[in-house]
Amino acid sequence: DAGVIQSPRHEVTEMGQEVTLRCKPISGHNSLFWYRQTMMRGLELLIYFNNNVPIDDSGMPEDRFSAKMPNASFSTLKIQPSEPRDSAVYFCASSFRLVYNEQFFGPGTRLTVL
Amino acid sequence: LAKTTQPISMDSYEGQEVNITCSHNNIATNDYITWYQQFPSQGPRFIIQGYKTKVTNEVASLFIPADRKSSTLSLPRVSLSDTAVYYCLVGDPDILTGGGNKLTFGTGTQLKVEL
Repeated sequence: DAGVIQSPRHEVTEMGQEVTLRCKPISGHNSLFWYRQTMMRGLELLIYFNNNVPIDDSGMPEDRFSAKMPNASFSTLKIQPSEPRDSAVYFCASSFRLVYNEQFFGPGTRLTVL
Repeated sequence: LAKTTQPISMDSYEGQEVNITCSHNNIATNDYITWYQQFPSQGPRFIIQGYKTKVTNEVASLFIPADRKSSTLSLPRVSLSDTAVYYCLVGDPDILTGGGNKLTFGTGTQLKVEL
């Protein structure tokens, strides 16, 4: 298996633009997580899905952030409009069944908002 | 939500055994202890998970005393490639009955291994 796939790996955009980050979880995993990592705040859980259904989105910082999982093999995290403080590395992770302590992380998307 | 406390950094030399201790005084009955490793520019990687006593795999050992208020990750004979940040997490592994008990990574322990 190729592992969790994220795209793009790097994104540079200007303030106010819409940003869409994509994730393909490991086949067979039915839980998916979006994290954000910065030097100041560390690794923060934004939202997680189980069987494509959002379970907890309390970590989503603002209404500018939204996430979808239309099917078991694809998820998106959208920021609209983006702001410089959104600059961070965004990780997607997936896990098998309900045992979400063992998560498999993707390589991350480094987002820079100018 | 069980909080964890671990050292900010540790230094070691190649070939030595490294023990990183994590405190989690208010761990709940259903909580498991999980350790992750993160290299620069990569996502965290699961190392080991346990509930009580001792767990060992090909990478590390995890020691958990009877009161479960702390745990120790043991890395045998470290090498330069073990230089990374190590996170201790405590939580209910059941994503639904965990009651939204989100895994919190904290700041981790920066391990630096030198020659």
